[in-house]
Amino acid sequence: AQSVTQLDSQVPVFEEAPVELRCNYSSSVSVYLFWYVQYPNQGLQLLLKYLSGSTLVKGINGFEAEFNKSQTSFHLRKPSVHISDTAEYFCAVTREGAQKLVFGQGTRLTINP
Amino acid sequence: KAGVTQTPRYLIKTRGQQVTLSCSPISGHRSVSWYQQTPGQGLQFLFEYFSETQRNKGNFPGRFSGRQFSNSRSEMNVSTLELGDSALYLCASSFLTGGPYNEQFFGPGTRLTVL
Repeated sequence: AQSVTQLDSQVPVFEEAPVELRCNYSSSVSVYLFWYVQYPNQGLQLLLKYLSGSTLVKGINGFEAEFNKSQTSFHLRKPSVHISDTAEYFCAVTREGAQKLVFGQGTRLTINP
Repeated sequence: KAGVTQTPRYLIKTRGQQVTLSCSPISGHRSVSWYQQTPGQGLQFLFEYFSETQRNKGNFPGRFSGRQFSNSRSEMNVSTLELGDSALYLCASSFLTGGPYNEQFFGPGTRLTVL
C-alpha cells in the first residue's frame, strides 16, 4: 500500500518570495507522483506529475518538483509566488496500472502582500 | 471540450435519508472515480468504474454505492446518511490509453451537508 505525508499543513509566505511544499511518500512498489492544486469551491487541478525519467519535473504556473527516490520525497517549489497562488496543494501517489490516487492531507499556501 | 460536470453542486439532507450524486465525464472518457473530501480525513478514494463495472473500491461501508451507465455517466448513492457523511464528493474521469497512467480530470464536486 502507498501513503503520503505532507509535512506542513499551512505555509504562509510573502508575495514574490520562494516557496517549498514538502511531500514524503511510502510504497513497496514503484510509484507515480503528483501535485494537485485546489482553489476555493473548485475541484482539483493537476500541477505536475512524475512518471519516469528526469527527476526534475516542471508543471504549470511556474511550479516544479523534484523526485528523490532515496529520500522518498517529492517536494514542490516555486521561485516567486503570487497572490493568485493562494490555494490548497495536495501531493498524491499511485502505482502503475492503477487509477486510485492516495492523497496527502494537503498544505494550505497563503500569500501575504 | 466540456469538463467533468457534477450535479447537484450543493445538497442538504437530514440524518437517515439517502442521496444520489451524479457525474458526467469528459466526452470519450470511460473511467470514472469518486473521492470523498473531509477536513478530518482528507481526500479518500471511494470507487472506480469502467465500462459499467466497478474495478476498485476504497474502504467505505456498504452504505456507499455507485454505478455507471452505458454512456459512462456515473452516480453514487449514500443510504442512511450520517453526520459524518458531510463532505465534498469529487468525481474524476480518465481516458484509458493502456499506458502506465491515465490522467484524471476532476469535476468541481458536490458539497453534501447532513443535518
